[in-house]
Amino acid sequence: QQPVQSPQAVILREGEDAVINCSSSKALYSVHWYRQKHGEAPVFLMILLKGGEQMRHEKISASFNEKKQQSSLYLTASQLSYSGTYFCGTEGYAGGTSYGKLTFGQGTILTVHP
Amino acid sequence: DVKVTQSSRYLVKRTGEKVFLECVQDMDHENMFWYRQDPGLGLRLIYFSYDVKMKEKGDIPEGYSVSREKKERFSLILESASTNQTSMYLCASLGGVREQFFGPGTRLTVL
Repeated sequence: QQPVQSPQAVILREGEDAVINCSSSKALYSVHWYRQKHGEAPVFLMILLKGGEQMRHEKISASFNEKKQQSSLYLTASQLSYSGTYFCGTEGYAGGTSYGKLTFGQGTILTVHP
Repeated sequence: DVKVTQSSRYLVKRTGEKVFLECVQDMDHENMFWYRQDPGLGLRLIYFSYDVKMKEKGDIPEGYSVSREKKERFSLILESASTNQTSMYLCASLGGVREQFFGPGTRLTVL
């Protein structure tokens, strides 16, 4: 079952902050975040592991609440280059190796205006 | 830099045709994945492979098959293309820090 992302879309002006949430109904081992710019391939931002620390990528950070099976992506002082679609990918427990298999959310479209 | 390439950016096929989508990675990665991407549905896993000749079904394998004869190459096969398989197809390989490296995608239209 796919994780649910919210909101579906966000419109910001440069310098504003945003939060994107990712919620799963399954117990999670890790949460991954990717960004896809229009017409391009998704690009890895960061991975959050169970029991791990909050991660950062430039001015983008993320947290992982294992008990609630939720992750949040925080975009601080947004730049024009942050525009794109953000996907969370969740990795559950498979009783062995998951082979890095991810289940992706439906995506959140972020638009940053000057 | 890791490079994942896909054989075509755009492809137009007719209903019932057999379609091959090819993906090649140059980083000696063990695991490779095929996804389809549709608006509002995100990326959905079709098949993945964790070694040469080893494959497993993903979440939406119906109507698809795969082939991995060499480590660097992972092919997606549509045995008999249908209009509901019109989509963007993305291939990825798994790096050492568990990040997936994606190819540029193939936009397939089935008429």
